[in-house]
Amino acid sequence: EIVMTQSPATLSVSPGERATLSCRASQSVSSNLAWYQQKPGQAPRLLIYGASTRATGIPARFSGSGSGTEFTLTISSLQSEDFAVYYCQQYNNWPDTFGQGTKLEIK
Amino acid sequence: QVQLVQSGAEVKKPGASVKVSCKASGYTFTSYGISWVRQAPGQGLEWMGWISAYNGNTNYAQKLQGRVTMTTDTSTSTAYMELRSLRSDDTAVYYCARDLYGSGTPSDYWGQGTLVTVSS
Repeated sequence: EIVMTQSPATLSVSPGERATLSCRASQSVSSNLAWYQQKPGQAPRLLIYGASTRATGIPARFSGSGSGTEFTLTISSLQSEDFAVYYCQQYNNWPDTFGQGTKLEIK
Repeated sequence: QVQLVQSGAEVKKPGASVKVSCKASGYTFTSYGISWVRQAPGQGLEWMGWISAYNGNTNYAQKLQGRVTMTTDTSTSTAYMELRSLRSDDTAVYYCARDLYGSGTPSDYWGQGTLVTVSS
């Protein structure tokens, strides 16, 4: 199965600043990469699919890039509601696999 | 609006089985597949498998093969996930989630989660 590795495990950023989260696949997943946001006690929320397409209702401050094995989620100006755990998921090959998550915390 | 409503929390003993339901509304049930994802306490997300609500085709995570069965009831727009021979490391929140636009796509709508606790 494809192993997804996210970095860093924890990212401390101040509100209003930019956050950059990384996700690496153990083999190419083309552009079949999604990003999710999860807050405590809630289900994950789809942010990005196809590596760079924002899901319905997702603010423009969230952007995704990359293809193949290297991907990035950028949050351009952090709002208080953005502090959460973020997961990447590849859906190019079954089984779908998730990264271990990046916790975005307030600095 | 699209909603996935899951059954309530369960407490099971090791070796028992659990069946979690996921009732869909607000869309044509048979036009989308359903994935099941679980999350152990304080841990990340683990994909368990997928079922087509159109024809019942399934794809399961290899580590769960033989213990998990996913089914659907199109008459009630409900998906089910049964896990057998429960172990303590099956303790987790179990989520159902709808395909974004078809097989092999990410999930755009998620259920609220069902906590399954396995304890003697």
